[in-house]
Amino acid sequence: DQQVKQNSPSLSVQEGRISILNCDYTNSMFDYFLWYKKYPAEGPTFLISISSIKDKNEDGRFTVFLNKSAKHLSLHIVPSQPGDSAVYFCAATTSGTYKYIFGTGTRLKVLA
Amino acid sequence: DTGVSQDPRHKITKRGQNVTFRCDPISEHNRLYWYRQTLGQGPEFLTYFQNEAQLEKSRLLSDRFSAERPKGSFSTLEIQRTEQGDSAMYLCASSSPGQLIGYTFGSGTRLTVV
Repeated sequence: DQQVKQNSPSLSVQEGRISILNCDYTNSMFDYFLWYKKYPAEGPTFLISISSIKDKNEDGRFTVFLNKSAKHLSLHIVPSQPGDSAVYFCAATTSGTYKYIFGTGTRLKVLA
Repeated sequence: DTGVSQDPRHKITKRGQNVTFRCDPISEHNRLYWYRQTLGQGPEFLTYFQNEAQLEKSRLLSDRFSAERPKGSFSTLEIQRTEQGDSAMYLCASSSPGQLIGYTFGSGTRLTVV
């Protein structure tokens, strides 16, 4: 049972344009959502999070949007840069559990 | 802050052998987590420690797997009688007492069972 789903295995975007990565979840008990970025041969790096009491969180070029009624979140990267090319994982958790449920990842390629 | 350190980076072992991995968390972090990532999947939770106490274990952590964190510092993950299905990246992460969200991962140990 995949509680966190990233249905797009890959995405290619031109440098300077917007990258939109999507994530869906099924468990209504999740109250925090995170995005991690992973380069080859490195561990995942925390990027941005959002609490279920918010619908948007912004950090520089990265914005995460949460639509609780649709159980959907998205990560927007504007403008996209070649250094953003990586695998992006969506994760969800319930506060107090410390356990993250990850999606399968989306490989983003930003073309120069 | 040297980050989360994992050793070894790569391990190749024959089926049936025992292997042990080590994780050194960031020094002031009291929580430590182990995850496993197989090809094409996201990381899957295995277990977590708060100080030296192991507070949660996934059902993925069969009887052949054991994790310890003596004295609440470094942690070891041992796999006994390895099987080919154990081939994966084993990731360790840590977080500090005041950190609500977003833990720091190490670079992982890649295990290949031949």
